Amino acid sequence: DIQMTQSPSSLSASVGDGVTITCRASQDISNFLVWFQQKPGKAPKSLIYGASSLQSGVPSKFSGSGSGTEFTLTISSLQPEDFATYYCQQYKNFPLTFGGGTKVEIK
Amino acid sequence: EVQLVESGGDLVQPGGSLRLSCAASGFTFSDHYMDWVRQAPGKGLEWVGRIRRKPNSYTTEYAASVKGRFTISRDDSKTSVYLQLNNLKTEDTAVYYCARVLVQGNHYYFDSWGQGTLVTVSS
Repeated sequence: DIQMTQSPSSLSASVGDGVTITCRASQDISNFLVWFQQKPGKAPKSLIYGASSLQSGVPSKFSGSGSGTEFTLTISSLQPEDFATYYCQQYKNFPLTFGGGTKVEIK
Repeated sequence: EVQLVESGGDLVQPGGSLRLSCAASGFTFSDHYMDWVRQAPGKGLEWVGRIRRKPNSYTTEYAASVKGRFTISRDDSKTSVYLQLNNLKTEDTAVYYCARVLVQGNHYYFDSWGQGTLVTVSS
């Protein structure tokens, strides 16, 4: 199975800050990676697919990069609605696997 | 608007069975693969399984943790996907989400999710 490792597991930031979350795959997944945002008690929402393609309707403050085994999600100018948990997920191989999540909290 | 509505979650004893349903609307259901993903309380996301479309013979894939106990099926005439859970274990306690798979080129990813249904396995 492909292991997905996210770092950090949590971070604190202020409104207006930019943050970067890293996701590492245990083997080459090319660009078969998606990023999700999840708020408490809600279903996940896809943000980025193909490692860097913005999902329709998602604001351009979210951006993704990377290929192979290292990927990043960058959120610019954090707003209150951006405080949530973010997950990466690979869809190169079965079983599909998720990172452990990164909780972005208000400082 | 794409809508996915899960139902069927309940409290069940270890060893018991349950059938979850996911009713879809707002899109051509038969064109899409459908997956189930679960999330244990306070934990991360875990993929459960997939069912493909009719042109792919409705083939399925499962996570090792549920293979042989869970079965995914679908009824395109009812635009619904189902998850049959048998021989339930306490570690199956989770919110179960159905998710639509969107295909963009050779990218197959979840673009829409239901609100989830809670399965609690406890004596």
